[in-house]
Amino acid sequence: EAGVTQFPSHSVIEKGQTVTLRCDPISGHDNLYWYRRVMGKEIKFLLHFVKESKQDESGMPNNRFLAERTGGTYSTLKVQPAELEDSGVYFCASSQDRGQPQHFGDGTRLSIL
Amino acid sequence: QKEVEQNSGPLSVPEGAIASLNCTYSDRGSQSFFWYRQYSGKSPELIMSIYSNGDKEDGRFTAQLNKASQYVSLLIRDSQPSDSATYLCAVRANYGRSQGNLIFGKGTKLSVKP
Repeated sequence: EAGVTQFPSHSVIEKGQTVTLRCDPISGHDNLYWYRRVMGKEIKFLLHFVKESKQDESGMPNNRFLAERTGGTYSTLKVQPAELEDSGVYFCASSQDRGQPQHFGDGTRLSIL
Repeated sequence: QKEVEQNSGPLSVPEGAIASLNCTYSDRGSQSFFWYRQYSGKSPELIMSIYSNGDKEDGRFTAQLNKASQYVSLLIRDSQPSDSATYLCAVRANYGRSQGNLIFGKGTKLSVKP
């Protein structure tokens, strides 16, 4: 069984540009989560999808971040325009249902110059 | 603000010793607790989950939970150099629409010396 996959593994962009991160959850997992770790801080929750619906987006830092999960399969997280403080590692996780443990991808390391 | 606290380390133990990792949490209503292991540049990997007070053993790993003290720990017996990693304590949020997402500590870096 394939795990959670994220693309790209690294992205380096300039301030003001747009970046889109992609996450493919484990097949059959309805719950998809985005998290972020900025340097020196703990991993923090961004948002939670159940199938294609946003269940909780209370962790999204501001309206420069837009997450989608069309068709309830893969998800994208777009940052537009990127700011320096958006640098960090963005993790995606999935679970079969909300009560099950979450399985994480390797993350996308985002660097804003 | 719900929080999870861990000693950042580094915690250094000799090969074959017991490594003890500790975590406290602020939300008294929390019900689900997890330990993840993360190697540098890799995904957090779930190694233990615990939901009830007491001990839960899985191979060389034992998770301990004390809800009254809001404390969860991970013991690694017969530590190996391959256990060297950052260990993340995570607590599942237990309030409102946030039920499901995880609240993480900063992680404890463990180094097992041959």
